[in-house]
Amino acid sequence: GENVEQHPSTLSVQEGDSAVIKCTYSDSASNYFPWYKQELGKRPQLIIDIRSNVGEKKDQRIAVTLNKTAKHFSLHITETQPEDSAVYFCAAIGGDMRFGAGTRLTVKP
Amino acid sequence: DTAVSQTPKYLVTQMGNDKSIKCEQNLGHDTMYWYKQDSKKFLKIMFSYNNKELIINETVPNRFSPKSPDKAHLNLHINSLELGDSAVYFCASSRRRGGEQYFGPGTRLTVT
Repeated sequence: GENVEQHPSTLSVQEGDSAVIKCTYSDSASNYFPWYKQELGKRPQLIIDIRSNVGEKKDQRIAVTLNKTAKHFSLHITETQPEDSAVYFCAAIGGDMRFGAGTRLTVKP
Repeated sequence: DTAVSQTPKYLVTQMGNDKSIKCEQNLGHDTMYWYKQDSKKFLKIMFSYNNKELIINETVPNRFSPKSPDKAHLNLHINSLELGDSAVYFCASSRRRGGEQYFGPGTRLTVT
């Protein structure tokens, strides 16, 4: 099946800095792009999503951008806090359903 | 008021055994999923049912068989368990196909 590439695999930032995670997909039928946060030992939880008819969406410190032509989308977290530390997954859903391999974000106090 | 629940939470069993994991959602959603998350945390879709009908069936061994007795339940039965089946299995549901997914708490399966 089609893949979703996610980068970086690990990301370490200082508290207060911004963090950016990028994903690239290949299935042209993908039209829904959610981002999930998974804390250690917990279930993945949706933090933000975007549909293909929108280029950007923001929710407080979290934003997602989508470039459908280039087939990539990104998660932006501003003013990071230690509780943002987790594994983040992107996904591309449409005719197919694929998750990225995850990014382990560590926010140092 | 748990939205998506799974049982058991932990399952330790020996190679060759047959086991089942149950999933229930009380959200009234039409679509349910099973995912496998391995030790490297990679999350991979296994199956998806929409209104009790199988719509996604990824390349998984046929030792894995999903069963959906009704829209609110999607169980996973695994025959002849192997060491490589050890992982965390997550159930999820969404209102409709391709919608926001709600995950269950996961079942950690350990095959010895």
